[in-house]
Amino acid sequence: AQSVTQLDSHVSVSEGTPVLLRCNYSSSYSPSLFWYVQHPNKGLQLLLKYTSAATLVKGINGFEAEFKKSETSFHLTKPSAHMSDAAEYFCVVRTINTNAGKSTFGDGTTLTVKP
Amino acid sequence: DTGVSQNPRHKITKRGQNVTFRCDPISEHNRLYWYRQTLGQGPEFLTYFQNEAQLEKSRLLSDRFSAERPKGSFSTLEIQRTEQGDSAMYLCASSPDRGVATQYFGPGTRLTVL
Repeated sequence: AQSVTQLDSHVSVSEGTPVLLRCNYSSSYSPSLFWYVQHPNKGLQLLLKYTSAATLVKGINGFEAEFKKSETSFHLTKPSAHMSDAAEYFCVVRTINTNAGKSTFGDGTTLTVKP
Repeated sequence: DTGVSQNPRHKITKRGQNVTFRCDPISEHNRLYWYRQTLGQGPEFLTYFQNEAQLEKSRLLSDRFSAERPKGSFSTLEIQRTEQGDSAMYLCASSPDRGVATQYFGPGTRLTVL
């Protein structure tokens, strides 16, 4: 079984300040973890992924995330928010068991960036 | 651009009608997935194909839902006797056939059942 909890449904930051979007996961097997971003009326875009290599993962647009097994967390961060970062963000877990089928999504975090 | 495409982008139908959606995956991807996303929620897994074989189905996929991928390329998702609760965004994704490969998502088909 696998599940994802995004701890904040809404996060609001000022432009130029750091971003932290929190994600905890549960998995019966070694997980692979992903962050996707969804802009209004656009498809889901992959930001970054963790697949058992380096625990600090760098993604596109200056985002990064750190896999912490002891805390079962995979929080997304960015040092300085830009107006274009305003969007919905989803944390996703997948595990390799009998097949590599479904992804389990969190409920999403809406990021608002204030000028 | 050779990303995942979905048609139609929007569908409005009356309760009780049947609807069919199409997904064209990235051409070299053997795996294809369907998800459903309702307002304020993350996407929920519906079903998964490896080539033409349907390998996994969610309990969300009631007997009114059927998905096919007859030649291992494009896929269709049909909903029979639509209900208002079927109103949602239906997302398709594809990935290469290796381990936990990244899934690439299409823009989705938004279904509204009146």
